[in-house]
This record gives sequence, structure tokens and C-alpha cells, in this order.
Amino acid sequence: KNQVEQSPQSLIILEGKNCTLQCNYTVSPFSNLRWYKQDTGRGPVSLTIMTFSENTKSNGRYTATLDADTKQSSLHITASQLSDSASYICVVSDDTNAGKSTFGDGTTLTVKP
Amino acid sequence: GAVVSQHPSRVICKSGTSVKIECRSLDFQATTMFWYRQFPKQSLMLMATSNEGSKATYEQGVEKDKFLINHASLTLSTLTVTSAHPEDSSFYICSAQWDRVYGYTFGSGTRLTVV
Repeated sequence: KNQVEQSPQSLIILEGKNCTLQCNYTVSPFSNLRWYKQDTGRGPVSLTIMTFSENTKSNGRYTATLDADTKQSSLHITASQLSDSASYICVVSDDTNAGKSTFGDGTTLTVKP
Repeated sequence: GAVVSQHPSRVICKSGTSVKIECRSLDFQATTMFWYRQFPKQSLMLMATSNEGSKATYEQGVEKDKFLINHASLTLSTLTVTSAHPEDSSFYICSAQWDRVYGYTFGSGTRLTVV
């Protein structure tokens, strides 16, 4: 069964600090891994998308890494801002004709002043 | 580019009535759209995959007759919650696919409250 596990479940950091969120998956065959940011009451917004051959992708202060061998990904947030407070969701899609996506449960990040 | 518009953003309806939620791809054609449901503090749960011109594919446990999906054009999919009950109250989100690997864009979601 395809699974995506995210850790930690929640995280509180001070403004300006860095943090790293983890995503482990068992999806096979692998197609791509996407990180989304979801503000409360809003739809998810794409941060990064990585395929098998990509092991790092940046989007401003967000940097995602992918280790396809260990099936792990991380999302690093640099110099956090209050507006980074949100849920961060890891989504992994398989490479079947259906291209089915498996969602992680998300990490809730709270940035405090 | 790749903008998805979802409407309405919030709706309150009486128990027993039906509610229609629209999902539009504004600047691209989407042969496939997805409908999700999200409960508080939980991740998105796929309800159904909507394919233009054909019947939607529903996930196990999702009632087809209760959640009617119509994907009549390449830019519009609708989800109708029929005979709504308070337990249908949730956050519904659509997404549209414009590229098999890189192209998934989510709508902004609809908060449905059934009273």
C-alpha cells in the first residue's frame, strides 16, 4: 500500500529561525514528489515539484530535497516569517497510468514573533 | 498561469437541499480534475476523479448518488452535494491537471456548512 508519512506533526519556531520538515514515502513506482503550503481555509499552493532525477529544488526561502534511494524528502524553510505559519503537505504520485497521488497528513508550522 | 477558480468559497445551506460547487480552469484546458474533502486538522481525502466527457471515478466509500460530478467541458467541473446533511459539512477542494507530472493546481476551496 502506498503511504506518505510526514514529521513532525506540528512545529513551533520563532520568527527568523530555520526549520526542516520530513516526508518519507513508500509509493511505487515513483513519478514525482510535491510540497504544498496550505493556509487555513484555503486550497494548497505548490511550493516545489521534483521528479526522480532531481534531488533538490528551491523556491525562494523554501528548499526541498529528494533522496529517491531512501524514499525521503525534506523541506527546509530559511529565515522563517510569520506568514510561513501554515500546513505543509507532501504529495507523492505514482508512475502508473492513473498517476495516483498519495497525500501526507501534513505538518502544521507555527511561527511566533 | 495555470489558475483554478473555485466557487463559491463559502456556502451555508439547509439540511435536505442540494449545493453545487464549481471548479474552473481559467487559462488552460483540464481533461482531468479532482475533488477532495478535508476535515479540520486532516489532510485532503480524494473523493473522485473527474474526466471530461465521461463518468467520474469515485473512491471507495464515496456515494456516487450523493456527490454528483459533472465535467461537461475542458474548463469546468462541478460537484453537487445532494440532499445535504450536517455531516456533509466540510471543506471541499478541487484540483485540475494540466500536465501529468508538473501540472496540478488546486482551487481555493469551498467551506460547506449544512444547518
